[in-house]
Amino acid sequence: SQQGEEDPQALSIQEGENATMNCSYKTSINNLQWYRQNSGRGLVHLILIRSNEREKHSGRLRVTLDTSKKSSSLLITASRAADTASYFCAPPWSGGGADGLTFGKGTHLIIQP
Amino acid sequence: SAVISQKPSRDICQRGTSLTIQCQVDSQVTMMFWYRQQPGQSLTLIATANQGSEATYESGFVIDKFPISRPNLTFSTLTVSNMSPEDSSIYLCSVGTGSAGNTIYFGEGSWLTVV
Repeated sequence: SQQGEEDPQALSIQEGENATMNCSYKTSINNLQWYRQNSGRGLVHLILIRSNEREKHSGRLRVTLDTSKKSSSLLITASRAADTASYFCAPPWSGGGADGLTFGKGTHLIIQP
Repeated sequence: SAVISQKPSRDICQRGTSLTIQCQVDSQVTMMFWYRQQPGQSLTLIATANQGSEATYESGFVIDKFPISRPNLTFSTLTVSNMSPEDSSIYLCSVGTGSAGNTIYFGEGSWLTVV
């Protein structure tokens, strides 16, 4: 498995603004997953983007993937207080081997009312 | 998607005792994993729970401290043995369906505080 690294580590914006966070990884991937974690809770799966997709939308979320740069970004539009959470990207599990996901430190997003 | 139930969701434990966390999935899954998240830190993979055989542990984690069972394709347990305050963490179960999307789902976590 490989580690995804999120940037920035912390982000504070006003409610209604857009929030962008980035992820870099080391080796070739078939897909990339983004997760949200509210304080002290489990991880919620947000979106999976495949290597043949450059952009994917889900509600107010937009994820891009640039395999040539080994990077991905998560954009949250029209942010809300409830979006305050930590966000993690996770390079994929192989689907067959005894190998889990590895996580970076995440981006801690704070939405100011 | 898979619905994952973890028990307990939260507990306060005495130093030196052991606690078993249960993970139940609403469907058969190929892989089950256990993670630890220490306060203010990211998630660290403890082990892969293998059905019918011994778990595969990551570096820094051993079976004596974190015994894992996986009797079938929908259930696994993680025991935290001989606990110390350093074991105070959130322990998360996650599952992979092995389907084409390879989406990994997580439970709500079990928040253990060792006193």
